[in-house]
Amino acid sequence: DAKTTQPNSMESNEEEPVHLPCNHSTISGTDYIHWYRQLPSQGPEYVIHGLTSNVNNRMASLAIAEDRKSSTLILHRATLRDAAVYYCILSHANAGGTSYGKLTFGQGTILTVHP
Amino acid sequence: NAGVTQTPKFQVLKTGQSMTLQCAQDMNHEYMSWYRQDPGMGLRLIHYSVGAGITDQGEVPNGYNVSRSTTEDFPLRLLSAAPSQTSVYFCASSDSYRTNEKLFFGSGTQLSVL
Repeated sequence: DAKTTQPNSMESNEEEPVHLPCNHSTISGTDYIHWYRQLPSQGPEYVIHGLTSNVNNRMASLAIAEDRKSSTLILHRATLRDAAVYYCILSHANAGGTSYGKLTFGQGTILTVHP
Repeated sequence: NAGVTQTPKFQVLKTGQSMTLQCAQDMNHEYMSWYRQDPGMGLRLIHYSVGAGITDQGEVPNGYNVSRSTTEDFPLRLLSAAPSQTSVYFCASSDSYRTNEKLFFGSGTQLSVL
């Protein structure tokens, strides 16, 4: 299965943009790129996902490289509530086109937001 | 909607005891799964189900049993608890098991096995 590589930690100041990188050089053509985040003492929370094109939602933007070997989660204006562990995950489709939600969570990036 | 509800939130067991972690979702989701999270690590998949009556093993299934008799409920049973099963357990559900599924997670059960 394709793996992802993320920095262990990043820091940001409040109200500044944050760019969280993720490398996935062995991604296959049918792998979706997902981002989840986990706030302290809570379960993971879906942030965004995409396949080839850049995606935007109310929480964040996902920029996917043209060769799909890397992606970047963009938080446009970080707040203190965005301090969390951010996971970049690939969902691998089996031969039948289903992945059964087998999202493999790595260690993620710990984002610290300073006031 | 309550979403995904896990009970209990905290539990302490002695080695060898058995117990069931409860998980219920009210979103009529087909897919449900159990993960465990150990300190400083990501989540690892224990078991999953793609519908009532259908379950399968994930990455770390040993020591755990599951069943899915209804769409709403997906309990996780520890048959004989061991200290290595001390962890935080998360249940998750999704309305489909296709590659673009969005998982909804419960708030977790913190389990300590002495």
